[in-house]
Amino acid sequence: GAVVSQHPSRVICKSGTSVKIECRSLDFQATTMFWYRQFPKQSLMLMATSNEGSKATYEQGVEKDKFLINHASLTLSTLTVTSAHPEDSSFYICSARERGLPYNEQFFGPGTRLTVL
Amino acid sequence: ILNVEQSPQSLHVQEGDSTNFTCSFPSSNFYALHWYRWETAKSPEALFVMTLNGDEKKKGRISATLNTKEGYSYLYIKGSQPEDSATYLCAFGGYQKVTFGTGTKLQVIP
Repeated sequence: GAVVSQHPSRVICKSGTSVKIECRSLDFQATTMFWYRQFPKQSLMLMATSNEGSKATYEQGVEKDKFLINHASLTLSTLTVTSAHPEDSSFYICSARERGLPYNEQFFGPGTRLTVL
Repeated sequence: ILNVEQSPQSLHVQEGDSTNFTCSFPSSNFYALHWYRWETAKSPEALFVMTLNGDEKKKGRISATLNTKEGYSYLYIKGSQPEDSATYLCAFGGYQKVTFGTGTKLQVIP
């Protein structure tokens, strides 16, 4: 149980295009989903927290107009990188929190490697 | 900004050796400490959630201890196997969000 899928696993796009990444909880209801970003040799950095049916809460320094997050259902959240530029190239990973689990236990997707040319 | 540090950054051990690594975190306002194992191209897998000072948890050959007063947790692997090769992440947890360390990359040499 507690499986989270993430698609695509890898994407290469041209500068100026938008890229959508999907995060799905396959066998549980994810009341909260988290989006992280990881640069080489650094830790996972939280970008935003999204609760189903409400607007995402972005961390300081993360542009909400650049990284659009939608959490329209209890099993799906999407991250859209708008007008991507080479500096947006990174590893993006989502996690989901199941209703009722204590201590902020999260289940992770496998991540998406974004390369912007 | 919370400071969560892991050491060492990486290590190589021979198959059969036991090993351990450290996660350091702020000793104030403790809520929970998480350990994850992250194999290449896979999802991070939760190993332990530790909440009480003095907690010791075990899962097979892997165990962890927690000292919230001094702000550290140890992860131990007994009799390392090649399949233990992965990056081990700790995360200092608040109610709403967690802060991750940079991880310890373990390579077990057959």
